[in-house]
Amino acid sequence: EVQLLESGGGLVQPGGSLRLSCAGSGFTSSSYAMTWVRQAPGKGLEWVSAISGSGGTTYYTDSVKGRFTISRDNSKNTLYLQMNSLRAEDTAVYYCAKGLGGRNYYGMDVWGQGTTVTVS
Amino acid sequence: QSALTQPASVSGSPGQSITISCTGTSSDVGTYNYVSWYQQHPGKAPKLMIYEVSNRPSGVPDRFSGSKSGNTASLTISGLQAEDETDYYCSSYTSSSTHVVFGGGTKLTVL
Repeated sequence: EVQLLESGGGLVQPGGSLRLSCAGSGFTSSSYAMTWVRQAPGKGLEWVSAISGSGGTTYYTDSVKGRFTISRDNSKNTLYLQMNSLRAEDTAVYYCAKGLGGRNYYGMDVWGQGTTVTVS
Repeated sequence: QSALTQPASVSGSPGQSITISCTGTSSDVGTYNYVSWYQQHPGKAPKLMIYEVSNRPSGVPDRFSGSKSGNTASLTISGLQAEDETDYYCSSYTSSSTHVVFGGGTKLTVL
């Protein structure tokens, strides 16, 4: 069974940093792009960032460019999101999700349970 | 304001069919067949229901179907069941610097 488990969320002050992790199991990590999607309290889904299966290509939404860095360690089947210069508007539940293919990050077929980031 | 436009709510009776629309632009829905639909129950992670406009992942009932016409994609749920009552989101690849856009979500009520 394919599973994803996020960790690393918490309470941080504005301007601070956090690193989220997403441990995957049940699939070959390097064969799939991975994505981070967030959901602010009471709001809809917002795509944040993605990385190709090889890790060689990364993608970011405009509001996090220059502040967030996505990376992966395929030997550990783990995805990361380094978040710096955090703002109140970054407060959300952050989900990691598995893409449908090595470069297909726009369809996400398996999701983690989410980790909560609060910037205050 | 979300990049893709969905109705805030739709409703239907058990056994009936409903359709949720998702309107974008020529930069996303209108040009690319990378529209997905997700179901999200309160406090839970989203679940992929449809990908690439009309494909169903294994395990998703065939009561769920997707289509697209021009800049608008649609999710149709036939034979409505009480368990279908929840939130639904569409998403699409976009040629803009945002890469992927979501709709604002639609709350489905089964009367």
